[in-house]
Amino acid sequence: DIQMTQSPSTLSASVGDRVTITCRASQSISSWLAWYQQKPGKAPKLLIYKASSLDSGVPSRFSGSGSGTEFTLTISRLQPDDFATYYCQQYNSPSYTFGQGTKVEIK
Amino acid sequence: EVQLVESGGGLVQPGGSLRLSCAASGFTFSSYEMNWVRQAPGKGLEWVSYISSSGTTIYYADSLKGRFTISRDNAKKSLYMQMNSLRAEDTAVYYCASGWVRGRFDYWGQGTLVTVSS
Repeated sequence: DIQMTQSPSTLSASVGDRVTITCRASQSISSWLAWYQQKPGKAPKLLIYKASSLDSGVPSRFSGSGSGTEFTLTISRLQPDDFATYYCQQYNSPSYTFGQGTKVEIK
Repeated sequence: EVQLVESGGGLVQPGGSLRLSCAASGFTFSSYEMNWVRQAPGKGLEWVSYISSSGTTIYYADSLKGRFTISRDNAKKSLYMQMNSLRAEDTAVYYCASGWVRGRFDYWGQGTLVTVSS
């Protein structure tokens, strides 16, 4: 199975900050990577697919980049609604593995 | 509006069985790939199983070891998961998730909690 490793596990930031989360795959997954946002007690929500394509309705302050084994999710200016846990997920091949998550906390 | 509504969760003893259902509305169910994803309390997300739009291709996470069976009924716009020989480590919120692309999870239900305990 392909292993997905996110860093950091926790990130403390302030409103207005630029935030970057990294995701590494144990082998190449081309651009078959998605990012999800999850808030406590809620289902995850798709933010980005195919490494850099923004899902419909997702604010443009979110962006994704990378290919192969290295990927990043960037939030250009953190908003109060963005404090949540973020997961990367590969869909190059089953099992469709997730990273362990990055919790973005208020500093 | 896309809606996925899971049901069938609850408390079950170790070794017991449970059948989860997911009712879909607001989209052409028969055209979408479907999945089950679970999340143990306080833990991350774990993909469980996938079924193609036609039902002809199915995948499972290795950790299930043949205990779970996914199925769908396109006429009823419903997804199912038969879970047998349940263990404490199967305790989790189970989400159904649909995707236009294999392995991608575009829409999620609200989840149903399965608790395996004596």
